[in-house]
Amino acid sequence: AQSVTQLDSQVPVFEEAPVELRCNYSSSVSVYLFWYVQYPNQGLQLLLKYLSGSTLVKGINGFEAEFNKSQTSFHLRKPSVHISDTAEYFCAVSGNNDYKLSFGAGTTVTVRA
Amino acid sequence: NAGVMQNPRHLVRRRGQEARLRCSPMKGHSHVYWYRQLPEEGLKFMVYLQKENIIDESGMPKERFSAEFPKEGPSILRIQQVVRGDSAAYFCASSPREDTEAFFGQGTRLTVV
Repeated sequence: AQSVTQLDSQVPVFEEAPVELRCNYSSSVSVYLFWYVQYPNQGLQLLLKYLSGSTLVKGINGFEAEFNKSQTSFHLRKPSVHISDTAEYFCAVSGNNDYKLSFGAGTTVTVRA
Repeated sequence: NAGVMQNPRHLVRRRGQEARLRCSPMKGHSHVYWYRQLPEEGLKFMVYLQKENIIDESGMPKERFSAEFPKEGPSILRIQQVVRGDSAAYFCASSPREDTEAFFGQGTRLTVV
């Protein structure tokens, strides 16, 4: 079984500043890792995913994440945020070839002008 | 290709009533997953279905909850005799195969009054 810890529940940030959202996971098997974004009253949209290969993954909307196996982390970053990035962000993990996603509790990002 | 369609988007039920949540997967997708998001929490896996079969219902509450995915028509998540604690957002996801990325719908927000 896998579990995910998102270390920050709320992250306020000013527009055009960088942001990092932290995610740690635990698993006894190889994993796939995902970041999803949920805008207010919307469904989940996939930002990026790590399946294998390069540990630096680039996603949509200028986001990127780095898989660190030794630290069991998959932190999400964006060098310069916009007001429109205000949303809730979920880190998720699944076992290799497993269909079941385990989600973290989410990080609410609020971008202020 | 339309995305995963869930309806209704919002559902209000009185305690003791039944709630029926519908999910139409993306075209060509025969795998459906239901997740529940309780307030202030991440999504939790409930059930995984393929056409006419329940593959994994390990996340389903033992009583009052049932799910189906008939040969024709949408997948249905049924909650009988709803209680206040059932108030949550219920998300459906679909994929073409078990080992591929699942795409999420916009969710049904159930409020039990």
